Amino acid sequence: DIQMTQSPSSLSASVGDRVTITCRASQSISSYLNWYQQKPGKAPKLLIYAASSLQSGVPSSFSGSGSGTDFTLTISSLQPEDFATYYCQQSYTTPRTFGQGTKLEIK
Amino acid sequence: QVQLQESGPGLVKPSETLSLNCTVSGDSISSYYWSWIRQPAGKGLEWIGRIYTSGNVNYNPSLKSRVTMSVDTSKNQFSLKLTSVTAADTAVYYCARENGAARPVDYWGQGTLVTVSS
Repeated sequence: DIQMTQSPSSLSASVGDRVTITCRASQSISSYLNWYQQKPGKAPKLLIYAASSLQSGVPSSFSGSGSGTDFTLTISSLQPEDFATYYCQQSYTTPRTFGQGTKLEIK
Repeated sequence: QVQLQESGPGLVKPSETLSLNCTVSGDSISSYYWSWIRQPAGKGLEWIGRIYTSGNVNYNPSLKSRVTMSVDTSKNQFSLKLTSVTAADTAVYYCARENGAARPVDYWGQGTLVTVSS
């Protein structure tokens, strides 16, 4: 299985801050990397697919980059509704695997 | 708008079989991959497996010996069976759609909590 490792596991930030979350794959996954946002009691929501493509309806404050084994999710200016847990996922092969999650909290 | 809805028992006894259905509305179930993903309370996401509408399946090797997925295109529905459950199988179970062979999950059900307990 491909292991996905996110860092940090948790992050405190303020409204208006720029934040970056990283995701590393245990082997090259080309650009088959997706990012999801999950709020308590809700299903995850797709934000970014294919490493850098913004899902329809997602604010442009979200962006993704990377290829191979190293990827980043950046939120350019945090809004109150952005405080949530973020997961990366590889869709390069099965079994699909997720990172352990990054919990973004209000400072 | 595509919608997915899980259904099934919320409580299953240890050693028995967990059975869930997912009904898809708003689009045909044909020509997509349909997945099951679970999340224990306070933990991360675990991919259980997926089925294509042809019946082709991919299972997580960690669960493969206990998992069976099926699809019923006439009902726009797909299903999960997990045998010999233990407390470790207690989780919120999500059904979801993968929008292609190497594509992300673009639609999720709301999730259903399944508790394994006697």
